[in-house]
Amino acid sequence: EAEVAQSPRYKITEKSQAVAFWCDPISGHATLYWYRQILGQGPELLVQFQDESVVDDSQLPKDRFSAERLKGVDSTLKIQPAELGDSAMYLCASSLPLDHAGNHNEQFFGPGTRLTVL
Amino acid sequence: GENVEQHPSTLSVQEGDSAVIKCTYSDSASNYFPWYKQELGKRPQLIIDIRSNVGEKKDQRIAVTLNKTAKHFSLHITETQPEDSAVYFCAASGGYQKVTFGIGTKLQVIP
Repeated sequence: EAEVAQSPRYKITEKSQAVAFWCDPISGHATLYWYRQILGQGPELLVQFQDESVVDDSQLPKDRFSAERLKGVDSTLKIQPAELGDSAMYLCASSLPLDHAGNHNEQFFGPGTRLTVL
Repeated sequence: GENVEQHPSTLSVQEGDSAVIKCTYSDSASNYFPWYKQELGKRPQLIIDIRSNVGEKKDQRIAVTLNKTAKHFSLHITETQPEDSAVYFCAASGGYQKVTFGIGTKLQVIP
């Protein structure tokens, strides 16, 4: 069964350093999401891609976070510089796009990258 | 933007009893409402979903109801089992498949 892949699974860094996370969605999934999940809370959308285009990045702290999906397949999320408050689980998810009738499709999540900023 | 409120934040039930988790949403344009289960240390997984043109959907021991007028939806788990223990998230989605999650409910099923 196809799954969303993420790496690394764990990352420990010091504040002010740069970190990058990688996500490979399920093949054929045009929609890709990056979420941040703080312990004890629900996933919070950071950025959503449709193919290589950003659909929503309204919650992305653009002064330090960036995301790209250059060829519309895999994606990278970068933080520079990392801050203590960035410690969280970063989840990637993918889905097929809305169908021609406008029906939603299931989001499939990757295993996440747990970031600890010291 | 969309705001999803979920309660209770924690819920303990005896094995075999029912569990109910309730959510409200703010954006009347939302038309898709998935529920996710997240076990400790694992990724969220979809357990059931409902679209705005349906009032109720059932899948074995799990059911979801939707009241579009009141903008609330609920998850019902009957005959709970210890393996149902997890964190459950409700979510709402509108155009472009943007999904807004609730804060989660930690369900504990006591054997």
